[in-house]
Amino acid sequence: DIVLTQSPATLSVSPGERVTLSCRASQSVGSNLAWYQQKPGQAPRLLISGASTRATDIAARFSGSGSGTDFTLTISSLQSEDFAVYYCQHYNGWPLFGPGTKVNIK
Amino acid sequence: QVQLVQSGAEVKKPGASVKVSCKASGYTFIDHYIHWVRQAPGQGLEWMGIINTGGGSTNYAQKIQGRVTLRRDTSTSTVYMELSSLRSEDTAVYYCARDATRDAYNADWYFDLWGRGTLVTVSS
Repeated sequence: DIVLTQSPATLSVSPGERVTLSCRASQSVGSNLAWYQQKPGQAPRLLISGASTRATDIAARFSGSGSGTDFTLTISSLQSEDFAVYYCQHYNGWPLFGPGTKVNIK
Repeated sequence: QVQLVQSGAEVKKPGASVKVSCKASGYTFIDHYIHWVRQAPGQGLEWMGIINTGGGSTNYAQKIQGRVTLRRDTSTSTVYMELSSLRSEDTAVYYCARDATRDAYNADWYFDLWGRGTLVTVSS
């Protein structure tokens, strides 16, 4: 089975900083990778699909890259509303989520 | 308004069953598969299963196969998730989520619209 690893587990960041989150798959998932944002008490929200395609109404400061086994979600300038947990999910077979990266206020 | 509206919180005893509903509105119900995803308190996301809202075919995660059943009612645009033989480790928020692909015959297996979640608590 494919395993997804996200790093770091927690990240403390100041508003305005650039943030890079990593997602690594134990075997290739091609470009079949999505990223979600989840705030406390809310459902996840789709940010990125196909490794790099922003979902509808997602701000341009969010970008995704990578293919195969290594993927990155970048937030170019962190806003206050971006403090949340970020999950990657592969869909190259049965869908599986990574353990998440929590982005905290520094 | 495009949305998925879920039923309210449930408290169940170990061994019982729970049924959670997910009513779709604002789009053509049979154009999108529906998935269920759960999240235990303070934990990550776990995919549970998928239903073809048109034909009714289903697939379930191996971990809970045999205990979970998904059904749909096209007349009310509602999907139901029933989980039986409940255990304490089934305590979680259960989400329905729409498959991102608008295709009655294929799913893309990622999720572009989510319900707000239903908390199911299993406790004696």
